[in-house]
Amino acid sequence: SAVISQKPSRDICQRGTSLTIQCQVDSQVTMMFWYRQQPGQSLTLIATANQGSEATYESGFVIDKFPISRPNLTFSTLTVSNMSPEDSSIYLCSVGGPAGGPYNEQFFGPGTRLTVL
Amino acid sequence: DAKTTQPPSMDCAEGRAANLPCNHSTISGNEYVYWYRQIHSQGPQYIIHGLKNNETNEMASLIITEDRKSSTLILPHATLRDTAVYYCIVRVVIQGAQKLVFGQGTRLTINP
Repeated sequence: SAVISQKPSRDICQRGTSLTIQCQVDSQVTMMFWYRQQPGQSLTLIATANQGSEATYESGFVIDKFPISRPNLTFSTLTVSNMSPEDSSIYLCSVGGPAGGPYNEQFFGPGTRLTVL
Repeated sequence: DAKTTQPPSMDCAEGRAANLPCNHSTISGNEYVYWYRQIHSQGPQYIIHGLKNNETNEMASLIITEDRKSSTLILPHATLRDTAVYYCIVRVVIQGAQKLVFGQGTRLTINP
C-alpha cells in the first residue's frame, strides 16, 4: 500500500485567509483525489488532481475556492481560499493505482484538520 | 449520490463475527464494491473490494450476491479495535473517470 503524508496535520486559521495543504506519496501513483469531511459527516469528493493539467472538480466545488496543483506523480496541493467558518473540516488526500498500472486500490492520507475562526 | 444503503449502526460482541450488510441495487456490471473503515479522527482505511466473486484477505471477507445487488462484509473475530464507521462504496465511472462516492456508513460498536 502507498504511504501518504499530509502537511499540516491541523491548523487554526482566521477567516478571509488561505491555507495550502500538501500531500506527498512514497511512490508514483496514477490518481490523486481530495476529499472533505465536515464535522459528523461522511466524505465528499472535492476534485481529482490531474498530473500536468487542471483538476477536475465535482459539483459544488470551484477552482477559485479550492485551487489544486499536481506537478508530478507523487505530490499534490489543495488550497482553501478566502476561508470562512463553514470551511472547518478535515481535508483528505487519496491516491489510487501505481503509475501506469491498474487502478484498483485507493488509499487515504491521515487528513488535515482545519478550524476557521 | 452514493449508490449504497447501509444500516446507520450495529453492535457486535467481542470475539464474534460481525456481518455488515450493504445494498447496491443500481450497481452496473463493471462497477466494483469497496469497503473502508474510519476510526475516529483518522483517514479511511481500505479493507477489501470485489466485483463478482467473494473475496477474502487478512482483514475480512466480502460476500457479494449473485445478482450483485447486495453484499456483506464479514469480520470473522471482532475485537474492540474494530469499532469504527464502515463504508460500503460502489466505485462509479463518470465521464470516463473512476470515483469513490461515500455514503453515510455503518457505525459498528464492538462490545466487551
